[in-house]
Amino acid sequence: QQPVQSPQAVILREGEDAVINCSSSKALYSVHWYRQKHGEAPVFLMILLKGGEQKGHDKISASFNEKKQQSSLYLTASQLSYSGTYFCGTESWSGNTGKLIFGQGTTLQVKP
Amino acid sequence: DAGVTQSPTHLIKTRGQHVTLRCSPISGHKSVSWYQQVLGQGPQFIFQYYEKEERGRGNFPDRFSARQFPNYSSELNVNALLLGDSALYLCASSLVEGAYYGYTFGSGTRLTVV
Repeated sequence: QQPVQSPQAVILREGEDAVINCSSSKALYSVHWYRQKHGEAPVFLMILLKGGEQKGHDKISASFNEKKQQSSLYLTASQLSYSGTYFCGTESWSGNTGKLIFGQGTTLQVKP
Repeated sequence: DAGVTQSPTHLIKTRGQHVTLRCSPISGHKSVSWYQQVLGQGPQFIFQYYEKEERGRGNFPDRFSARQFPNYSSELNVNALLLGDSALYLCASSLVEGAYYGYTFGSGTRLTVV
């Protein structure tokens, strides 16, 4: 039931790109992406809805493949500030809207 | 504007005791959700409240309860604390019942049960 994220950890140099994947076994209504820095609250990045378009802002974007129940988060030309743990949160059709099931997280470390 | 505020920020309790955690959502947000985050894991859904009514409950024992007040603030209560209840408790608010606009999380209450 919990979505599976891959990879578990990524180490990058500034300017490099990364892709984080989120896969669910349930039919999804939406996928959220959050970033959490150590000791801080998760921060909302974006939401992708069933039937919606790929979203993005700045150099972070995401896609949602409804048929495969998968979402990917793309970080291009990574910056030091991108470091943190990224979580996908999924809403499924079977549960009440608003209940997010989070993946186990992907830790991203960007080095100078 | 103030974000989601939670109190207290840290708490140490003894097994068997009771604890009350508080949350004030962003002004205008009517939905409050509670999540438990154990170190190294993603947040786990506990409750969602919208317009003072419980809209969803996660897989947590009856020792966990919550309520939402007319001003949309919320309390999470945990009775008969166990060592395994030690975690970061996060409150999230949203404008509407669903998560359509995403959640804004508070900084959390770090609960340690000894």
